[in-house]
Amino acid sequence: GIQVEQSPPDLILQEGANSTLRCNFSDSVNNLQWFHQNPWGQLINLFYIPSGTKQNGRLSATTVATERYSLLYISSSQTTDSGVYFCAVERGTGGFKTIFGAGTRLFVKA
Amino acid sequence: EPEVTQTPSHQVTQMGQEVILRCVPISNHLYFYWYRQILGQKVEFLVSFYNNEISEKSEIFDDQFSVERPDGSNFTLKIRSTKLEDSAMYFCASSPDYSGGFNQPQHFGDGTRLSIL
Repeated sequence: GIQVEQSPPDLILQEGANSTLRCNFSDSVNNLQWFHQNPWGQLINLFYIPSGTKQNGRLSATTVATERYSLLYISSSQTTDSGVYFCAVERGTGGFKTIFGAGTRLFVKA
Repeated sequence: EPEVTQTPSHQVTQMGQEVILRCVPISNHLYFYWYRQILGQKVEFLVSFYNNEISEKSEIFDDQFSVERPDGSNFTLKIRSTKLEDSAMYFCASSPDYSGGFNQPQHFGDGTRLSIL
């Protein structure tokens, strides 16, 4: 099956710093999403990005499908950005198994 | 914005008992999913459901588990004869039909925390 690897596993930032999180996947996919899991356990959908680049405020994401990786950029980090960031991929079209990476645990210090 | 809702938010059950976790997907969505997350670990796919049947299931989803869409709005996960290791957060998700060759984003509920005693 598809392997999904995220790096780094842990990241500590000073408030205001920028960071890049990476997601590598081992096969072609039809769906890639980035999620933020907040301290209450909720999975917040950040981006749906099977290819290309998207931006939403201080966050942006780029997926290069041909090279099988995606990047999540966080600029001017805030303490509320703390949590775990997951990348998830789905192969096939419609209702296929979705594979999550192990996540990047981010802590932003004030 | 429409949401996926899950009930209850927390379920405590004695080992060996049956439990049913409930989800109301977004109304015009066609694909439904269940995931679990053991504390501190990654999110694991259990099963996907489309057109009133299972599309795909993981090796975790054995005979202990079943899913049902009983009335056109609810989507349930039943766990029979629960074990201690079934303690986890269970997430339901739904997505609309795929478009342009790509799947559409999955929308997640807030989860049900299942504690087996």
